[in-house]
Amino acid sequence: DTGVSQNPRHKITKRGQNVTFRCDPISEHNRLYWYRQTLGQGPEFLTYFQNEAQLEKSRLLSDRFSAERPKGSFSTLEIQRTEQGDSAMYLCASSLARAGGRTDTQYFGPGTRLTVL
Amino acid sequence: SQELEQSPQSLIVQEGKNLTINCTSSKTLYGLYWYKQKYGEGLIFLMMLQKGGEEKSHEKITAKLDEKKQQSSLHITASQPSHAGIYLCGAGGYGGATNKLIFGTGTLLAVQP
Repeated sequence: DTGVSQNPRHKITKRGQNVTFRCDPISEHNRLYWYRQTLGQGPEFLTYFQNEAQLEKSRLLSDRFSAERPKGSFSTLEIQRTEQGDSAMYLCASSLARAGGRTDTQYFGPGTRLTVL
Repeated sequence: SQELEQSPQSLIVQEGKNLTINCTSSKTLYGLYWYKQKYGEGLIFLMMLQKGGEEKSHEKITAKLDEKKQQSSLHITASQPSHAGIYLCGAGGYGGATNKLIFGTGTLLAVQP
C-alpha cells in the first residue's frame, strides 16, 4: 500500500502528558498537511510543509503544538501538556504540487484518534 | 473568512434512489474538492472541480461546479449501501502557495437496503 500512513491509529493519554504522532506521506509528495477533526465537524487546517519547510501555521496551533518534517519525508506532530480539549482525530494529508500550483489534490491518511482523560 | 455550508446535514434514502448534496461557498471558488469519510476513518478523495460549469463523474457519482452561484452539487444515482458515509466538500486555492482546505461540516448519508 503506497497511501498516506499514520501511527498510532489510536492514543489514549492522561491530561498533562506529551504525545507524538507520525505521518508518512505518499513517496515523492512534496507537500504535507496536518488537520484536526472533532466530532460532527469537518477537518480544520493546522499546519503545512513544503518539503522540510513549515510555511504556515493556523492560530489553532497553540505553543503546546509543534510539527516537524526533518528530511522532507515523514512528519511528526507533538502535543505537550495535553488537555481534554485536544481530544480529536488528527489527520495528515500529502500532495504533489507543481511550481506555482494552487490546487494540488490532497490524499489523506487514516488519522490518529486522540483521547485525553 | 471562507465558509462552506453543506445541505442537507443528514440524509436517509432507500437503496436505488437518487440523491443530491449541495455545498455553498461564501466566496468565489477556485478549487472545490469532494471527499467521502467512513466514521472514524480518513478521507477518501472523490473529485476535484476547478472551472465554472465543470462536471465530473466517477461510477455513479457526479459532481458539478456552478461558479456564479458559488456552489457545487454531488449527485449519486441509484444509491447503494456502499455509498453510505459522510460526504465533505473542501475549498482550496486561497492561500497563495498554501492549498489549505476549508471544509464544510459534512453530510451524513445512510442508505437503507
